[in-house]
Amino acid sequence: SQKIEQNSEALNIQEGKTATLTCNYTNYSPAYLQWYRQDPGRGPVFLLLIRENEKEKRKERLKVTFDTTLKQSLFHITASQPADSATYLCAQLYNQGGKLIFGQGTELSVKP
Amino acid sequence: KAGVTQTPRYLIKTRGQQVTLSCSPISGHRSVSWYQQTPGQGLQFLFEYFSETQRNKGNFPGRFSGRQFSNSRSEMNVSTLELGDSALYLCASSPGQGSDEQFFGPGTRLTVL
Repeated sequence: SQKIEQNSEALNIQEGKTATLTCNYTNYSPAYLQWYRQDPGRGPVFLLLIRENEKEKRKERLKVTFDTTLKQSLFHITASQPADSATYLCAQLYNQGGKLIFGQGTELSVKP
Repeated sequence: KAGVTQTPRYLIKTRGQQVTLSCSPISGHRSVSWYQQTPGQGLQFLFEYFSETQRNKGNFPGRFSGRQFSNSRSEMNVSTLELGDSALYLCASSPGQGSDEQFFGPGTRLTVL
């Protein structure tokens, strides 16, 4: 069955550094992947979507890559700030319907 | 545009009871999905409704059910509550065209005692 895995449960970095989060998928080839941010006690908020024919996508300080050979997506936050501290989730939309399969999430903590 | 709203925000029930949660999607969105989030299992898909029809279903027992009304508002129901049903229940809406991003509500925190 389709599975998405995020390698790290937690990531601690220093303010100003680049945070890199990893999402791996197995047993299928998604047409696209989505990344969400979730703050404690709140619903996830959509950040970026990358399609399989797009190697890279950027939005302000955020960058997402999609490597279909490695079956992996990387999510980067450059010049990280304490306000970037949150849980980041990658997800794949299943079968064109409104069913998202989520990874377990990576809790990012940016220290001043 | 108003965001996705969910009511109630918090709920405490006892085992064996049933509960109904409500979700109002963003105006114009026809797809509503429901998710259960727990610390151990993460975010898990329950079901999705599009134009009043269930389009996708997750791997949850039949105690979990839902419906969508003609105005796209959706409700989910859990019968015969178990302790393990304690979770944050999230509703998300999207226009429903396939690769759409989903817009999540704040969730309903259900505690089963």
